[in-house]
Amino acid sequence: AQKVTQAQTEISVVEKEDVTLDCVYETRDTTYYLFWYKQPPSGELVFLIRRNSFDEQNEISGRYSWNFQKSTSSFNFTITASQVVDSAVYFCALNPHNQGGKLIFGQGTELSVKP
Amino acid sequence: KAGVTQTPRYLIKTRGQQVTLSCSPISGHRSVSWYQQTPGQGLQFLFEYFSETQRNKGNFPGRFSGRQFSNSRSEMNVSTLELGDSALYLCASSLVLGSVTDTQYFGPGTRLTVL
Repeated sequence: AQKVTQAQTEISVVEKEDVTLDCVYETRDTTYYLFWYKQPPSGELVFLIRRNSFDEQNEISGRYSWNFQKSTSSFNFTITASQVVDSAVYFCALNPHNQGGKLIFGQGTELSVKP
Repeated sequence: KAGVTQTPRYLIKTRGQQVTLSCSPISGHRSVSWYQQTPGQGLQFLFEYFSETQRNKGNFPGRFSGRQFSNSRSEMNVSTLELGDSALYLCASSLVLGSVTDTQYFGPGTRLTVL
């Protein structure tokens, strides 16, 4: 079975705190892609990052960083020094091999950053 | 460059009716995917079109159908609406089919309410 699990339904932090959003995936494919999307209240999904299964290098982009560990099938997302504008629902997604652009999404984590 | 546009943004229908939603991809993009988002089931893949052909389909009943036109614009149709079809329907476009190496850009969605 191919599945993405985001165990944290809701997280609430105070501005400037660091926060990590967890993502665990299941697939038997050796080739696959993982994604993170942000969904603000407007509803539009905003692409954050794409990672292929052969690239376990961690990535940092400004206040955002991602930790990909194939050994634990996890692809966690950390926001450093969170800001109110980071409040949104964040989705982790899996693209299985040979399934075109189909994305299998986790249930999402709603992040609330309070001033 | 204009983003993905979806019309209408909001729609109210009654059970048994049918509905057609429209998606205009980013100029030059040829692949369009559709997703259904509900509080209970989350984000689920409906189908993917490329060059006017359905290339991939999710696990939805035959009441859900779609098509793509020569200008890459896409429509999805839901016939014999049920209460459970109430959802946010999201469209995503990308340059090519199987766009795992190419970012999928999402539109703002169409909020369908079935009474």
